Formats: sequence, C-alpha cells, structure tokens
Amino acid sequence: DAGITQSPRYKITETGRQVTLMCHQTWSHSYMFWYRQDLGHGLRLIYYSAAADITDKGEVPDGYVVSRSKTENFPLTLESATRSQTSVYFCASSEVKNEQFFGPGTRLTVL
Amino acid sequence: GENVEQHPSTLSVQEGDSAVIKCTYSDSASNYFPWYKQELGKRPQLIIDIRSNVGEKKDQRIAVTLNKTAKHFSLHITETQPEDSAVYFCAASKDDKIIFGKGTRLHILP
Repeated sequence: DAGITQSPRYKITETGRQVTLMCHQTWSHSYMFWYRQDLGHGLRLIYYSAAADITDKGEVPDGYVVSRSKTENFPLTLESATRSQTSVYFCASSEVKNEQFFGPGTRLTVL
Repeated sequence: GENVEQHPSTLSVQEGDSAVIKCTYSDSASNYFPWYKQELGKRPQLIIDIRSNVGEKKDQRIAVTLNKTAKHFSLHITETQPEDSAVYFCAASKDDKIIFGKGTRLHILP
C-alpha cells in the first residue's frame, strides 16, 4: 500500500481559496481515479485518467480540475473551494478492470 | 450512466452467523463487479471480485453471486467474526470507471 500516497493528509481551508490535493503512485498503473467519500453517499467518482494527458469526468466533476502530465501523478484542484466540498478524498490507481488500490485519503475541511 | 443500489445500509448479525449484502445495477453492459471493505478510518480494500462470465466465486468465508438476467449480485460472509465489522461497498464497471454503491455498515454482535 505504500505504493500510492496522498498529500496533505489533512487540510483546512477557507471558502473561495484554491486547494490542490496530490496523489502519487509507484506501480506505473495506467489508470488513476479521484473519489470523494461523504456519509450517506459512499464513494463518488470525481475524475479519472486512463493514461498521461487523458482525463475524463466521473459522477461529480463540478468545481474540480485535474491534470496528468506524468503517469505517476494525478493532482486534484479545487479552484474556488466551497463548504459542500468538505469531504474525505481518496485517490486510487489500477490497471483496467482490475483491483483498484486506494491511497490513505485526505480529509479536507472548508470553512 | 451506471447506477448501483446497495441494501441494507446497516446490518447487524450475531458472531458466527452469516451476512448477506445485495446490490443491483442498471447497465446490462457492466461486466466487472468488485467488493471493497473499509475499516474505520482506513482506506477501502478489495476483498473479492467477479466478472460477468462467472456466476459465483468463493474465497474462504466470502462468496459472491451474480445474476446477470436480474442485474443483481450479492456478497455472502459465513461464520462471521469480529474483524468482519466494517463498511462494505459493491461496485459495477463496464468501461474504464467503477461506480460504487453507497455502502453497508456491518456490525458483528458478540
């Protein structure tokens, strides 16, 4: 599990600020994903990427931006944070149709 | 898009009894169905998965069944133990992305 890391692990920010959550994997997996986890909603897919420079929207992409210039990194940016974006964010990686390996999560609070 | 419904949202069983969690999916083209377990404060981890060319799969005390016609699949845990207490997520996938159900919180009672 040390093969996928997230930073920071905890973040408190204010409404309107830009926040970037980092995700790094060492397995050279093709696919990377961002989820948010909220009580009562389970895991909801924000964005995913099939390879470097290829990204696509998930279920709840509004208010988020992603990029993937390198296979191993997949940062998630909240351009103007809102209170509704307070959540636990999980990054994951996999090869297609195989086990997804999740990072440890980032707990984000927007005041 | 794909929609995955999971029931029940909470389940309590006596230690040693069996637990069953059920999921339905909407897209008949989905062909990969993983189950994840998330212990309190930890990350989700895969416990078992099944592909659409298989009707049942077992791994020790855990089994998953798939009914493609009815578009539902289930997780069965036998001889439950305290360490089975966790949140369980089903999911369905047909292309690159996986859509998760909302989770079932399983309590194992002593």
